[in-house]
Parts: sequence; C-alpha cells; structure tokens
Amino acid sequence: DAGVTQSPTHLIKTRGQQVTLRCSPKSGHDTVSWYQQALGQGPQFIFQYYEEEERQRGNFPDRFSGHQYPNYSSELNVNALLLGDSALYLCASSRTSGNYNEQFFGPGTRLTVL
Amino acid sequence: ELKVEQNPLFLSMQEGKNYTIYCNYSTTSDRLYWYRQDPGKSLESLFVLLSNGAVKQEGRLMASLDTKARLSTLHITAAVHDLSATYFCAVDIISGTSGSRLTFGEGTQLTVNP
Repeated sequence: DAGVTQSPTHLIKTRGQQVTLRCSPKSGHDTVSWYQQALGQGPQFIFQYYEEEERQRGNFPDRFSGHQYPNYSSELNVNALLLGDSALYLCASSRTSGNYNEQFFGPGTRLTVL
Repeated sequence: ELKVEQNPLFLSMQEGKNYTIYCNYSTTSDRLYWYRQDPGKSLESLFVLLSNGAVKQEGRLMASLDTKARLSTLHITAAVHDLSATYFCAVDIISGTSGSRLTFGEGTQLTVNP
C-alpha cells in the first residue's frame, strides 16, 4: 500500500514565475491538506480539499490556489512567486469519514525561489 | 486563534540523560500529535494522544496529555545520539463539516551529544 506521494522532490524557480506541486493521497483517503514549512519553523496550514472543493483555508494569499481531482489527488499552485515562498511544501492525506482521521504526510517538495 | 507553544526550542543534552519537552496550547483540542523531523525530511508520526490523561510510550520516548492544563509533554529517557532531530507537537481541531486542521508548535531542536 503506497503512502502519500508528492512530486517533484525539488524545484527551483525565479521570482514572478508560477509553480504547480502535486500530491497523491494514501489509498482509501479522500481529503488532502497542504502545509508550508519555512526553514527553521513549524508547518503552516495552507488549505484543505475534500470532494474537489476547498474546505478550509489558512492565512495565505490568493496567489496560493489548489485543485482536487475525482481520484482525490491534488495540486497546489503558487503564482507570482516571491523569495519568501521558498519552503518545504508538505501534503497530508486523511479520511474524512469515521471518528479518527489522522493526517499522513508525504515526503514533501522543496521549493527554492531565486 | 489557536496558539501552540513549545519549550525549549533548542535542547542540547548528553547521552544517558533524561529531559522533557513541553507543549502548551491555547484552546480546547480534539487530539494532539507528536512528530519527529530529520533535516531535509518530512514528518514522522510518533504519538497520537486522544484524551485527557493519555500516556503513550515507544522506546525511550513517552508522551502524555493533560487537556485541562492544555499541556502535553514528551519525555526522553536515557537519550541516545539517534534521537537527535526536531520534534513538533501539533494540535488538531475538528470543526463540524469543515474537517480537521493541524496547528504546529515551533519545534524543539534536540541534539544528543556523546
């Protein structure tokens, strides 16, 4: 059973560019959450997708957008990249149904903005 | 707004010694997680604490939860070098149909010296 997978592993972009990160959830999971972890800090919640809609959103600007597909995979898009967007982006999947919906994290995508 | 505070943020200890990491949070929570993160890597789930008084142990690590005090502790017994990593606590608040989202502490960077 494959866990959460993310692609690409590393990415280098320049300021002003746009980037798309991808996440495939763990088998049986229907909810995907995205977190940004800047160097030396704890992860910060960006948003969560369920049933192909954004269900919750953290304090991130509209430059950050996402999508969820019918197979539950998800994308994170960041437009007009800033130097401060350099971070490790973590995807976590969970199952909304039931009483216990622990989030399982993927390996992350390291984004460097030059 | 939920706040999660960890202390200490940096911990340098000798092998064989004991120490405790503290995690305080500001509002009622549904569950609390402890994660380990090695440099450049993703989050590894250590413990999930679901109720007041919960205690879990794995090897040299023991976690506990006091929901009335809004406090969780991660106790390290007879530290070994392999425990060197950054440890995060995260609080999960489940909001009706909005699902759950994790709020992380700043992390405790643990270095175990021979």
